[in-house]
Order: sequence, then C-alpha cells, then structure tokens
Amino acid sequence: EAGVAQSPRYKIIEKRQSVAFWCNPISGHATLYWYQQILGQGPKLLIQFQNNGVVDDSQLPKDRFSAERLKGVDSTLKIQPAKLEDSAVYLCASSSQAGVRYNEQFFGPGTRLTVL
Amino acid sequence: AQSVTQLGSHVSVSEGALVLLRCNYSSSVPPYLFWYVQYPNQGLQLLLKYTSAATLVKGINGFEAEFKKSETSFHLTKPSAHMSDAAEYFCAVSLFGNEKLTFGTGTRLTIIP
Repeated sequence: EAGVAQSPRYKIIEKRQSVAFWCNPISGHATLYWYQQILGQGPKLLIQFQNNGVVDDSQLPKDRFSAERLKGVDSTLKIQPAKLEDSAVYLCASSSQAGVRYNEQFFGPGTRLTVL
Repeated sequence: AQSVTQLGSHVSVSEGALVLLRCNYSSSVPPYLFWYVQYPNQGLQLLLKYTSAATLVKGINGFEAEFKKSETSFHLTKPSAHMSDAAEYFCAVSLFGNEKLTFGTGTRLTIIP
C-alpha cells in the first residue's frame, strides 16, 4: 500500500512570504495530523483532523497558520506570513480510526521549510 | 498532561555493543508509549509500542523496550549495535482515546566502526 505523500519536499522562502504544504494520507485513513519538527526538537502536533473536522488545533498559531482537509482526504497547511522561527520540518501523518484502543500513525517524509 | 524526557541527546556505541536509549515519562493515567526512528531526510517509523499488554515489548530490527511503572521508564535496548542503526530515536506518549503523540527531544545514535 502507498504511504503518506507530502509535497514539496523542500521549500525556501523569504520572511513575510506565504507557503503551502500538501499531504495525501494513506487511502482510507480517517485521521490526519500535521506536526512541526524544529531542529533539535521532537515533533509537535499542530492540528488533528478526523475526516474533514478539526479534533485538536490547540497548538496551531492561528494568526498565521491555517489548515484544511477538504472531502476528508488530502490536506493543505498554509503559513501566511512566514517568520524566521517557522523554519522546520512539517510532518504529515495518518491513522485509520480514532477513538479505539490504539491506531498506529504513519508518517510521511516531511517538508523541510527554510525561512530566510 | 503527559510528557517524556529523553536522557542524552547524543549516544555513541561501538558496532556490536549494547544500545541503551533512555526515556522517562510523566502521565496522570496509564499511558501508551512508543519509540520511533528517523533516518536522515525521512519521516518517522514506528519501532515498537506499549499499550498495556506485556511490559517487555519487542519491535523491529532487534530492538526491545521494557515498561517499568515504578520507575516511570521505557528504555530502548538492542543487544548488538549495527551500523544501520545510526539514526535519531524519539520516545513518545499518548493517552487512550486520543492518538495525539507527545514526543521527547530525541537521541541521536552514532555507531562507531
């Protein structure tokens, strides 16, 4: 089965510019996550979707970050305007169903963002 | 709230030697615990998980971890290191009913030939 796909793999922008990342989860996976991984730190959850509804966005900087998951499949994460501290790897993950005993999260390769 | 602490941001071991990566957790309720591995320019791959079944958990690539409630620990071990084990390792915790993962800061494992 195909894994979680993300694009682009790398992105370099100037501060105050806008950027968008795309994620295609594993087919049939209802839950989708976006994590931010700053160099030297562990991934931090930004937002969790269950189908096309938001379950948790408590750590999403909503003044500049937005995310959507249209039709409960693909998802886009946007940053507008970008700041230097947004330089990080943005990881997308998906799992088959939330609310049961445990569902493994499968991670994509990530998008490395550099803000200059 | 739950959290994990990984002791040692960098660990070096000789090829063939024991690998020990330390993880301590904090959780108000029985947690689920995980170890993930991340190779350069790749996403995270699940090594093993503890979900309140056996306390000694065996994972892929010869790794295992033991859940010790009295010590709030979930250390990762491998009897004999291989060059291919060089990577970054993350310990993570989640709670039943919400798969949100809280990660530690990671340990970079270097294997010395």
